[in-house]
Amino acid sequence: AQSVTQLDSHVSVSEGTPVLLRCNYSSSYSPSLFWYVQHPNKGLQLLLKYTSAATLVKGINGFEAEFKKSETSFHLTKPSAHMSDAAEYFCVVSDSGGGSYIPTFGRGTSLIVHP
Amino acid sequence: KAGVTQTPRYLIKTRGQQVTLSCSPISGHRSVSWYQQTPGQGLQFLFEYFSETQRNKGNFPGRFSGRQFSNSRSEMNVSTLELGDSALYLCASSPLAGVTDTQYFGPGTRLTVL
Repeated sequence: AQSVTQLDSHVSVSEGTPVLLRCNYSSSYSPSLFWYVQHPNKGLQLLLKYTSAATLVKGINGFEAEFKKSETSFHLTKPSAHMSDAAEYFCVVSDSGGGSYIPTFGRGTSLIVHP
Repeated sequence: KAGVTQTPRYLIKTRGQQVTLSCSPISGHRSVSWYQQTPGQGLQFLFEYFSETQRNKGNFPGRFSGRQFSNSRSEMNVSTLELGDSALYLCASSPLAGVTDTQYFGPGTRLTVL
């Protein structure tokens, strides 16, 4: 069975400093991995995804993530935080276990950006 | 293109009632997925429909059901509502692959069960 763990429920940074949101996954198959962002009172938006191509994935708004199979990690980073980055971030794993793709969401990391 | 729309946005029901939520995907998208989001359980996958057929299903009781119409619009039904069904229900659409491809989410329907 697949699973995903977001290691921090809250991350607090100052504007202009780097962002690191950590995600570890477990999968018996070749997984697809995603990061989504949810702003208050809005639907989820895809930031980036990994589907067995390049291990360093670039997404929207300056975010990127690196797939590390040996560490079963897919951490999300951004060099410089902006106030508008404050939101809830979800790491998602999906694999073909059992012949069907069913995504598993992490519990979310709340990113707080201080001026 | 218009985004994914969900109706109604807010709903209040009492225990034992049933409810139907509606989702209109982005034009041209054939896959529609439904999710439940609660503070306690987080985001959980309910089911996915593609070309009017349920293709994937999460671990929810049979009280939760859905369907998809020929125009790709989808409805989700919950019968015999329980307090624990109070949640934000999110719908997502994608062009083809469903849960392995980019999904575009609607704003959700907030269901409160009293």
